[in-house]
Amino acid sequence: GEDVEQSLFLSVREGDSSVINCTYTDSSSTYLYWYKQEPGAGLQLLTYIFSNMDMKQDQRLTVLLNKKDKHLSLRIADTQTGDSAIYFCAETPSSGGYNKLIFGAGTRLAVHP
Amino acid sequence: DGGITQSPKYLFRKEGQNVTLSCEQNLNHDAMYWYRQDPGQGLRLIYYSQIVNDFQKGDIAEGYSVSREKKESFPLTVTSAQKNPTAFYLCASTDTRAYGYTFGSGTRLTVV
Repeated sequence: GEDVEQSLFLSVREGDSSVINCTYTDSSSTYLYWYKQEPGAGLQLLTYIFSNMDMKQDQRLTVLLNKKDKHLSLRIADTQTGDSAIYFCAETPSSGGYNKLIFGAGTRLAVHP
Repeated sequence: DGGITQSPKYLFRKEGQNVTLSCEQNLNHDAMYWYRQDPGQGLRLIYYSQIVNDFQKGDIAEGYSVSREKKESFPLTVTSAQKNPTAFYLCASTDTRAYGYTFGSGTRLTVV
């Protein structure tokens, strides 16, 4: 079945780059997403990438997609304390109906001085 | 601005009680979803609805019920049959023109 896996925790120093990784199983995924969740809040869509793209950049965020290895990553440049949150990877599987998203368990990013 | 409103933000339930969580959207989205979030377990789908008066069970529907009488509203009832209801509940919506889901700010339910 469809599955999305992420490492659960990442700790980085303020000002460094953060790289959050995600692997998925459905090779027919059309869109892949990154969401951010701050404590006690809902999920906020950060960015997404279409499956025929290799890379997408949006200010401090860079998304890399390796379709052959079914690997997605989110790079945050110049990480700030405000970036501390849980980051979820999600995919739209080919077998799901109506934009059904499959989420990973989330990676908790801790930024320290 | 359009968005999704969940209420209340915090809810306390006594053993054996049913409680209803509200979710309202003004985005004119067709599809709505309810997720449950437990620490370290990510999001698990409870119910979803793609059209008014129709809804489907997700992965963990037991002990929950929903209705979709209006396009804007998708309330979730946590029944007494749900043995471990303490969790953070998230509502989301989307349609074919949107990328991904729009989420509400969540309701934290605690059994006392």
